Amino acid sequence: AQRVTQPEKLLSVFKGAPVELKCNYSYSGSPELFWYVQYSRQRLQLLLRHISRESIKGFTADLNKGETSFHLKKPFAQEEDSAMYYCALSVTSGSARQLTFGSGTQLTVLP
Amino acid sequence: GAGVSQSPRYKVAKRGQDVALRCDPISGHVSLFWYQQALGQGPEFLTYFQNEAQLDKSGLPSDRFFAERPEGSVSTLKIQRTQQEDSAVYLCASSLAIEQFFGPGTRLTVL
Repeated sequence: AQRVTQPEKLLSVFKGAPVELKCNYSYSGSPELFWYVQYSRQRLQLLLRHISRESIKGFTADLNKGETSFHLKKPFAQEEDSAMYYCALSVTSGSARQLTFGSGTQLTVLP
Repeated sequence: GAGVSQSPRYKVAKRGQDVALRCDPISGHVSLFWYQQALGQGPEFLTYFQNEAQLDKSGLPSDRFFAERPEGSVSTLKIQRTQQEDSAVYLCASSLAIEQFFGPGTRLTVL
């Protein structure tokens, strides 16, 4: 069965500092990986997915199949980046594309 | 346009009561998912619909949980004889392709 691990429940950095949120996964097939973000009092929303290799709000994430990791990085954190971040793995089971989520990392960017 | 909506936003039930949670997906979205999010955890998959067909219900924790989507649009998640361990946020998501769009969730508290 697939599994997503986010080892840090809480992460604090100062504004302007680099930030890296760790995500490791276990899955025997070819994974599709995503980062979702939930800002305070807002709903869960997609931040980025590895397939598109895009940078959203300055965040990037590279899929490393050797290390089975999909860490989220940003070179200069901003206070508005403070939020809950979830790494998720998409698995196709039959015709379903269910998401398996990690337990999340609460990022706080300090002024 | 309107996103995914869920009602009620908050529900308090006494142990043993039945509850019904509603999800209105984005118009035209074929796929609909239900997730359960316990406190401090990431969302966990419950069940998946493609139009009105329930194609995967492997995540439903017991036979007290039942979901339907009779006309391929609105979906209802029903929990019979609620237990304290059912206390969680129940998230609905809809999708047209890969990206899942989440609703605000229903927070269920079972006393």
